[in-house]
Amino acid sequence: DIQMTQSPASLSASLEEIVTITCQASQDIGNWLSWYQQKPGKSPQLLIYGATSLADGVPSRFSGSRSGTQYSLKISRLQVEDIGIYYCLQAYSAPLTFGSGTKLEIK
Amino acid sequence: EVQLVETGGGLVQPGRSLKLSCVASGFTFNNYWMSWTRQAPGKGLEWVASITNSGGSTYYPDSVKGRFTISRDNAQNTLYLQMNSLRSEDTATYYCTRVRYNNHRGYYFDYWGQGVMVTVSS
Repeated sequence: DIQMTQSPASLSASLEEIVTITCQASQDIGNWLSWYQQKPGKSPQLLIYGATSLADGVPSRFSGSRSGTQYSLKISRLQVEDIGIYYCLQAYSAPLTFGSGTKLEIK
Repeated sequence: EVQLVETGGGLVQPGRSLKLSCVASGFTFNNYWMSWTRQAPGKGLEWVASITNSGGSTYYPDSVKGRFTISRDNAQNTLYLQMNSLRSEDTATYYCTRVRYNNHRGYYFDYWGQGVMVTVSS
């Protein structure tokens, strides 16, 4: 099974700050990596697919990048509405596996 | 507007069965793969099952293989998850998700339902 190691587990940042969350895949998964945001008490929502493509309706302050088997989600200017838990997902091979999540709070 | 509405959750005893349903609207259901993903209370997300658009192929992780069955009725725009031999560790919120595929960007879940809670306890 492909393991997705997500870091950090939690993060506290100030408004307007740049935030970066990473997922390290245990083997090559190409661009088959997506990111999801789960706001408190809500269902997850797609942010990024194909490692770098922004989903419809997602603010442009969110971006995704890839360096080898390391994938990053960047929030360029943190806003209050960005609090929640963020997950990566590899869908390169079954079983599909999520990262363990990053809880993002406002400092 | 795409909508996915799950029903069928509740409290069930260990070893018993439960069947979840997800009614889809706002898109051509039989054009899309579908999946179920779950989240135990206070925990992360876990993929549970996927099914092709025709229903001809299904996929499961080892944790539910042989106990859970995903199926669909394209005429009724409905996705199902039959859960047998339930265990306490199956306690979770179960989400119905639509699967998108792009040749260069792979598979991803572009829409999620609101979720339905399943509690396995005596």
